Amino acid sequence: QKEVEQNSGPLSVPEGAIASLNCTYSDRVSQSFFWYRQYSGKSPELIMSIYSNGDKEDGRFTAQLNKASQYVSLLIRDSQPSDSATYLCAGHKAAGNKLTFGGGTRVLVKP
Amino acid sequence: GAVVSQHPSWVICKSGTSVKIECRSLDFQATTMFWYRQFPKQSLMLMATSNEGSKATYEQGVEKDKFLINHASLTLSTLTVTSAHPEDSSFYICSASPRGAYNEQFFGPGTRLTVL
Repeated sequence: QKEVEQNSGPLSVPEGAIASLNCTYSDRVSQSFFWYRQYSGKSPELIMSIYSNGDKEDGRFTAQLNKASQYVSLLIRDSQPSDSATYLCAGHKAAGNKLTFGGGTRVLVKP
Repeated sequence: GAVVSQHPSWVICKSGTSVKIECRSLDFQATTMFWYRQFPKQSLMLMATSNEGSKATYEQGVEKDKFLINHASLTLSTLTVTSAHPEDSSFYICSASPRGAYNEQFFGPGTRLTVL
């Protein structure tokens, strides 16, 4: 089992709708998680971090962490064409103090 | 805040030559910096972790003699690709963790290396 897994997509959503992205993780990943957005040809940009169970909201983004089920999700409300990108889920590994990335989910927001 | 720069943003070199890439944290001190490589349509692959003043820790399968990493100060890390070959062509991205930040990493803009 991969340490962090994501559906590769593409996830196609109409403009103004909610995009829902999911990520599951294994026991080898500790309890802090990050969502990064990566545009084609660019480097990742940190958009959300979440460390405890429950929801965390920041603008149009909401991250949800469920430790019992070992998944973390990202909701993008009022999706805009500019949200079209690949979203990377990352979990922190205490061993080596490093991040483990999922394969990314490609999101396409259609006008 | 938390800005990381990389230089150069792109480089083209001949096979067999060496290329140095710089990574700088501009507005914070980074005790730890990371080097990643990303091939087209693939996710980030961690190459090595570098801590200021100590030797880098390389991931399994990454040749430490080919990818030389130096973390000379709290704001600068360099990656040198020695004797580059076409298969080394990739997007190289560094990241840095601010002192005191809870496991967060901030990424530089990346360096696209093309080896002819």
